[in-house]
Amino acid sequence: DSGVTQTPKHLITATGQRVTLRCSPRSGDLSVYWYQQSLDQGLQFLIQYYNGEERAKGNILERFSAQQFPDLHSELNLSSLELGDSALYFCASSVVGGIGETQYFGPGTRLLVL
Amino acid sequence: AQSVTQPDIHITVSEGASLELRCNYSYGATPYLFWYVQSPGQGLQLLLKYFSGDTLVQGIKGFEAEFKRSQSSFNLRKPSVHWSDAAEYFCAVHTGTASKLTFGTGTRLQVTL
Repeated sequence: DSGVTQTPKHLITATGQRVTLRCSPRSGDLSVYWYQQSLDQGLQFLIQYYNGEERAKGNILERFSAQQFPDLHSELNLSSLELGDSALYFCASSVVGGIGETQYFGPGTRLLVL
Repeated sequence: AQSVTQPDIHITVSEGASLELRCNYSYGATPYLFWYVQSPGQGLQLLLKYFSGDTLVQGIKGFEAEFKRSQSSFNLRKPSVHWSDAAEYFCAVHTGTASKLTFGTGTRLQVTL
């Protein structure tokens, strides 16, 4: 158990819908990362937050957005869902989000868009 | 841009045999290198990491990896594989410009009894 929690574990929805994925980092960690794992793209970095502020952006679609709240939990919002958004979404956390820090991964949310 | 290559998509070994999973990176300076394991239906667990210093790094579950700058490699090894090691293994890199992890495509390990 990494100490990172993600809800829900599974999510099934239809094209065009909007969903919210939730992540709680390890106790004491200030930085949260979101990654997407899909069969065709592999594991890809989406976005990073540090203490409520966006720090880095990766291959995140404009239909996707995220935020980190004052209690440090984070939410990833996916809208206008397409079939290709079906994937495993991981949240990870680290202490301050610096280079070389270990990132601890949650169990993931499996999203299926029908 | 930095990149990570795992040339073996799938490897099968017998239980008790030795294991080596290959990882090559592309980056101008010395990167921060990681190996993660993903068991079926699970998240990613860190096995070991390399920052600097001793090029042979020990990790959890009996794994080790060796950083070879001349070959831009960071191969993962285990002297004797157990059936519970069957999983997918990912090599990843941090570089000096971003704290995101860039992952390889993964190697799926199958262990036969």
